Amino acid sequence: KAGVTQTPRYLIKTRGQQVTLSCSPISGHRSVSWYQQTPGQGLQFLFEYFSETQRNKGNFPGRFSGRQFSNSRSEMNVSTLELGDSALYLCASSSRGPGPGANVLTFGAGSRLTVL
Amino acid sequence: KQEVTQIPAALSVPEGENLVLNCSFTDSAIYNLQWFRQDPGKGLTSLLLIQSSQREQTSGRLNASLDKSSGRSTLYIAASQPGDSATYLCAVIKAAGNKLTFGGGTRVLVKP
Repeated sequence: KAGVTQTPRYLIKTRGQQVTLSCSPISGHRSVSWYQQTPGQGLQFLFEYFSETQRNKGNFPGRFSGRQFSNSRSEMNVSTLELGDSALYLCASSSRGPGPGANVLTFGAGSRLTVL
Repeated sequence: KQEVTQIPAALSVPEGENLVLNCSFTDSAIYNLQWFRQDPGKGLTSLLLIQSSQREQTSGRLNASLDKSSGRSTLYIAASQPGDSATYLCAVIKAAGNKLTFGGGTRVLVKP
């Protein structure tokens, strides 16, 4: 059973550019969440998608956006990149959607973004 | 606002010693707590998930306890090995959605 696949694994951008990251969840999983990890702020929740709808959103500016496709694959986009956006971006998939329950999240290896 | 704290931020132990990692959270209204392991530059690997109705979970050398009333969880790793060297993170989930709130992690070094 394939795990959570994130592409690209590494990328370098310059300030002002935009970037799109992709996440393919485990087959059958319908929930995809995105997290940003930086040395200073640690792991922070970006947003969660379930059945192509954003169900939760973290405290990030509007430059951060995402979407989910009918096959549950998800993309996140960061526009007008800033130096502070340099981070490891992790996505996680789950078989359960929003709501109480034993939500076991499986994480991908991450996409490391460097903004110069 | 939920805050999750892990102390210490780092620890170093000789091989064979038992590890005790602490996690505290400010809001006891959680649905479950999850422990993860992260190797340098890698993603997160789920170790144990404790539902709010449970007191502990065990998997091999790992045992995690949960005390909701005091807002604490402890991860025990018995007979540590150099391969246990990694950063260990705890995270809590509230009722709605899959939004995890993470602690800052404890970086563990097990010396041979």
